[in-house]
Amino acid sequence: KAGVTQTPRYLIKTRGQQVTLSCSPISGHRSVSWYQQTPGQGLQFLFEYFSETQRNKGNFPGRFSGRQFSNSRSEMNVSTLELGDSALYLCASSSGLGDGYTFGSGTRLTVV
Amino acid sequence: DAKTTQPPSMDCAEGRAANLPCNHSTISGNEYVYWYRQIHSQGPQYIIHGLKNNETNEMASLIITEDRKSSTLILPHATLRDTAVYYCIVRVPQGNAGNMLTFGGGTRLMVKP
Repeated sequence: KAGVTQTPRYLIKTRGQQVTLSCSPISGHRSVSWYQQTPGQGLQFLFEYFSETQRNKGNFPGRFSGRQFSNSRSEMNVSTLELGDSALYLCASSSGLGDGYTFGSGTRLTVV
Repeated sequence: DAKTTQPPSMDCAEGRAANLPCNHSTISGNEYVYWYRQIHSQGPQYIIHGLKNNETNEMASLIITEDRKSSTLILPHATLRDTAVYYCIVRVPQGNAGNMLTFGGGTRLMVKP
């Protein structure tokens, strides 16, 4: 079966711009989570969506937002980009049955 | 979720067993131990998880001590492709009530020829 698909794979933006990243979970998975990975902070949880509702949120500013559609696809948006937002953004989907998460390959965002 | 402690790095010779330790002394009774690994620039990959019994799958074995305060991930015959950062996470599998993973620093395993 198809894995978790994240688009785009690479992105370069300038400070002050906004960006939207997309994640298509494994078919049948209803939980989608987003993570930010930087060399300094490691892997950090951003938020999690289930059935179009945000259920958990990490400690990130309001510039980071997301949503989930009825087909479970999810998008995350970062507004007013800062240099420190440069990171690998990872999406993970889960069936919710406690059998682990499947991660996508990520979107590498560079803010210049 | 309980905090975990892992050595920052380890080396292993190709073809030998790699034993990666994890300390989770504050684990509670309903928390599982999960292992993931991340190969450079890819998303983390699920390896195995367990509650209190030892577990084995096609990738690895998980040994959990009787008091559940520590565990060891065993890669029986390490290959160069097993070079990665390995993360040990303890959490309650919350099912549809909410999911998140708290990653620590992990162990950087270097498999050498």
